[in-house]
Amino acid sequence: SQTIHQWPATLVQPVGSPLSLECTVEGTSNPNLYWYRQAAGRGLQLLFYSVGIGQISSEVPQNLSASRPQDRQFILSSKKLLLSDSGFYLCAWSGTTPGANVLTFGAGSRLTVL
Amino acid sequence: AQKVTQAQTEISVVEKEDVTLDCVYETRDTTYYLFWYKQPPSGELVFLIRRNSFDEQNEISGRYSWNFQKSTSSFNFTITASQVVDSAVYFCALSEINYGGSQGNLIFGKGTKLSVKP
Repeated sequence: SQTIHQWPATLVQPVGSPLSLECTVEGTSNPNLYWYRQAAGRGLQLLFYSVGIGQISSEVPQNLSASRPQDRQFILSSKKLLLSDSGFYLCAWSGTTPGANVLTFGAGSRLTVL
Repeated sequence: AQKVTQAQTEISVVEKEDVTLDCVYETRDTTYYLFWYKQPPSGELVFLIRRNSFDEQNEISGRYSWNFQKSTSSFNFTITASQVVDSAVYFCALSEINYGGSQGNLIFGKGTKLSVKP
C-alpha cells in the first residue's frame, strides 16, 4: 500500500531563517506530488505541484520554492521566512492517469514563524 | 472563477443527532469533480468522497450520505446518528477535469468544524 511521510511535524523558526520541509511517498512510482498550505481560519491553498523529477509548477507567487530531486521526494524550501509563512503545510500525492485526482495527504508540518 | 463556500463555520451537536454540512460551489465549467475531506484533530486530511458532475445520484455510505444538486450548485453532506469520533473539520472541494499535475489543484472551502458532544 502507498504511504506518505512528512517531516518535521512541528517547526518553530525565527523570521529570516531558512526552511526545509520534506515529503516522501512509498509504494508507488512516478506520482504527481503537491504542496498545500492551510493558514489559520482559511481553506487549503495549492502552492506547488510536480509531475516528475525536476518539474515544478508554482500556483502562488511567494518566497517559497519547491524541488523534486527524486521520483518520490518533494521538498518545500525558503531562504528567508516571513511571519506570513506560518501555517500548516500538507504534502499530497495522486496518480497520473486522467481523472486520478483523489489526493492522499500526509500528516502535515505545522510551521510557526516568530 | 471557481469558488467553494461552506457557510457554516462551526456546528455543535449532541451524539446521535443528525447533522448536515452545507457546500455551495461556483464554476463556469460544465464538467468538474466535487470532493469531501475530513480533517480530524491529528491534522491529516482523509478523503471521503468524489463525485463527477455527470453523476447526480445521491450516495450513502454507512452513516454518511451526500446530496448533489446541480440546479442549486450544492453538494451537501449528512451524518446520521453522529458520534463523538465524527468530530473534525470537514472540507468541501472542487476541481476541473484536467490532465497532468493540475488535476490535483483542488479549490477548497474554508471548512466546517463539527463538534459532537457525548
